[in-house]
Amino acid sequence: GNSVTQMEGPVTLSEEAFLTINCTYTATGYPSLFWYVQYPGEGLQLLLKATKADDKGSNKGFEATYRKETTSFHLEKGSVQVSDSAVYFCALSGPENKLSFGAGTTVTVRA
Amino acid sequence: KAGVTQTPRYLIKTRGQQVTLSCSPISGHRSVSWYQQTPGQGLQFLFEYFSETQRNKGNFPGRFSGRQFSNSRSEMNVSTLELGDSALYLCASSATRGEQFFGPGTRLTVL
Repeated sequence: GNSVTQMEGPVTLSEEAFLTINCTYTATGYPSLFWYVQYPGEGLQLLLKATKADDKGSNKGFEATYRKETTSFHLEKGSVQVSDSAVYFCALSGPENKLSFGAGTTVTVRA
Repeated sequence: KAGVTQTPRYLIKTRGQQVTLSCSPISGHRSVSWYQQTPGQGLQFLFEYFSETQRNKGNFPGRFSGRQFSNSRSEMNVSTLELGDSALYLCASSATRGEQFFGPGTRLTVL
């Protein structure tokens, strides 16, 4: 079946540092890949997505590239802010309309 | 457009009781999915409804059920509550397969 493995953290960074969260997946066929973010006490917000190999998703300074050869979808941001402190989830969706999530990575950015 | 709404936001129940959670999707979205989020198991797919029919189902016992109405609103019911059912229950709606938009969740506590 489909599965997602992501760096669990927690990750603690200083403001303006570079952030990378690794995500790899196992799936049959050609899944769509997503990064969701969850702030304390809230639901999940879609951060970015990619639907085919070599697609790059980007939003709010975050980027991730769909790498089929390495089955990866690593999240990166060049300069983080305190407001980026949250839990980040990597997810995939196959032919069925259901998301399989990674365990989540807690990111804390210190001023 | 208004986002996905879920009611109630918080619930406290005792073991053996039953509970019904409600979800209103984004206008025009016909698919509604439900997920359970717990610290131990992470985010797990419960089921998906599309045009009033259950289209996909996760690996949860029969105590977990749902339905969808003609206006796409969905309800989820859990009968004979157990302590382990304490979780954040998230509803997501989508217009197409893959990209899902989440509500704020219902926090269920079972005592």
